[in-house]
Amino acid sequence: ETGVTQTPRHLVMGMTNKKSLKCEQHLGHNAMYWYKQSAKKPLELMFVYSLEERVENNSVPSRFSPECPNSSHLFLHLHTLQPEDSALYLCASSQAANYGYTFGSGTRLTVV
Amino acid sequence: GESVGLHLPTLSVQEGDNSIINCAYSNSASDYFIWYKQESGKGPQFIIDIRSNMDKRQGQRVTVLLNKTVKHLSLQIAATQPGDSAVYFCAENTGNSGYSTLTFGKGTMLLVSP
Repeated sequence: ETGVTQTPRHLVMGMTNKKSLKCEQHLGHNAMYWYKQSAKKPLELMFVYSLEERVENNSVPSRFSPECPNSSHLFLHLHTLQPEDSALYLCASSQAANYGYTFGSGTRLTVV
Repeated sequence: GESVGLHLPTLSVQEGDNSIINCAYSNSASDYFIWYKQESGKGPQFIIDIRSNMDKRQGQRVTVLLNKTVKHLSLQIAATQPGDSAVYFCAENTGNSGYSTLTFGKGTMLLVSP
C-alpha cells in the first residue's frame, strides 16, 4: 500500500455506460491528480486539484469529469467513452509544490 | 536512455552489474527532478529525487546525477538485482504555485537476468 488507494483495479465498460473511478489518500496531502497512461506514451496529466479546487485541466474531453469533494477523495466520472480511452488511469497526491507524487496502483480501464 | 519515438528503450543487464539509465529533460527552468520505478500492474513508485541546486544525490544502491548544462539526468543502480526489473521514468517539476506539475519521460525498461 502506498497511501493512495484506487478502486476499482479493473473496469470494463461499454461505450454507452456511465462509471466512476475513485481515489482516496490518507497522507495529508493537499493536491491530487489524475493521469492517463497509455501503451508507449508518457504519462499524460488530465486534472489537478489543489486544496480541493481544480487548478489545471489539460484539454481533456468532457466525457471525463473530475470531482474532488474533500482533500482526501478524488473521483473521475466517465460517460460515453471511446475505445481509445482504454488505458491505465492513475491517481496521485502530493504535499505541496516541489514535492514528488505518491501514486495509487491505478485502474485498468477497457472500453468495449 | 529516453527516446522521443514510440519504442520504449530497453536496458538488459546481468544480476550484479551496475545499471545506468539516462534521461534528457526539456525545461531549463525545472527545479526538481524525480526518478520513479513502475513494475507490471502497479503504479509508479518514488525512488529518489534531486533539486536543481545539487548535482548528485545518493540513496540505498541508487545515485542520481544532474547536469543542468546539458539538461541531463541519470539514475545509477548498483549491484542490480532481478527485483529491479521494471520501467523507470524520470520526471521534471515546473510547478511553483502550491502544487507540483510533473512532466514524465517515456520510460526505460530495465531487464535483469539472473
